[in-house]
Amino acid sequence: GAVVSQHPSRVICKSGTSVKIECRSLDFQATTMFWYRQFPKQSLMLMATSNEGSKATYEQGVEKDKFLINHASLTLSTLTVTSAHPEDSSFYICSARDPGLTNTQYFGPGTRLTVL
Amino acid sequence: GENVEQHPSTLSVQEGDSAVIKCTYSDSASNYFPWYKQELGKRPQLIIDIRSNVGEKKDQRIAVTLNKTAKHFSLHITETQPEDSAVYFCAALFSGGYNKLIFGAGTRLAVHP
Repeated sequence: GAVVSQHPSRVICKSGTSVKIECRSLDFQATTMFWYRQFPKQSLMLMATSNEGSKATYEQGVEKDKFLINHASLTLSTLTVTSAHPEDSSFYICSARDPGLTNTQYFGPGTRLTVL
Repeated sequence: GENVEQHPSTLSVQEGDSAVIKCTYSDSASNYFPWYKQELGKRPQLIIDIRSNVGEKKDQRIAVTLNKTAKHFSLHITETQPEDSAVYFCAALFSGGYNKLIFGAGTRLAVHP
């Protein structure tokens, strides 16, 4: 399957700081990427849809000013968690839709964020 | 609204037995249903998917069935092996906008030797 990378894999930060997570599609161009959050032993919850060249579409209850998304190119989307707090600690996973395979999504390896 | 329900939440089987996980979805316009396997701390891996124009798809020990009328789809794993132990998620593609996947709550499968 297609390859999606994510960086960093793990980050620990102090409360109040901002953290940027990168998601890259390595062998295909993705006009649409998705950002999910997964708490321990829970399902993947869609946070927002990242669209190349336009504003992200956020799911209900997700603060767009807290979770900034930028999809600057067809292979890169970034998620910035601003003014992070301990309750933002979670596993953040991106996915990218392969345009060659209708609707098939491939996931990045995830970023484990711990806010102290 | 957009909803996918998945059962059971946990499933324990003996090696060699079959395992079945069931999901229902709310959007009758959904036309794509993938299944993902996730091991602890790792990314979800696509293991099989089915589109609405077929009722069943099989890939070696894994099969998926779809009943569009009932808005129900299932994952079947035969001859289970310990390495099948993981969390399995079903998902349904909800139409409109950017065609987003909505996931079920997950099933923790344990295969005992």
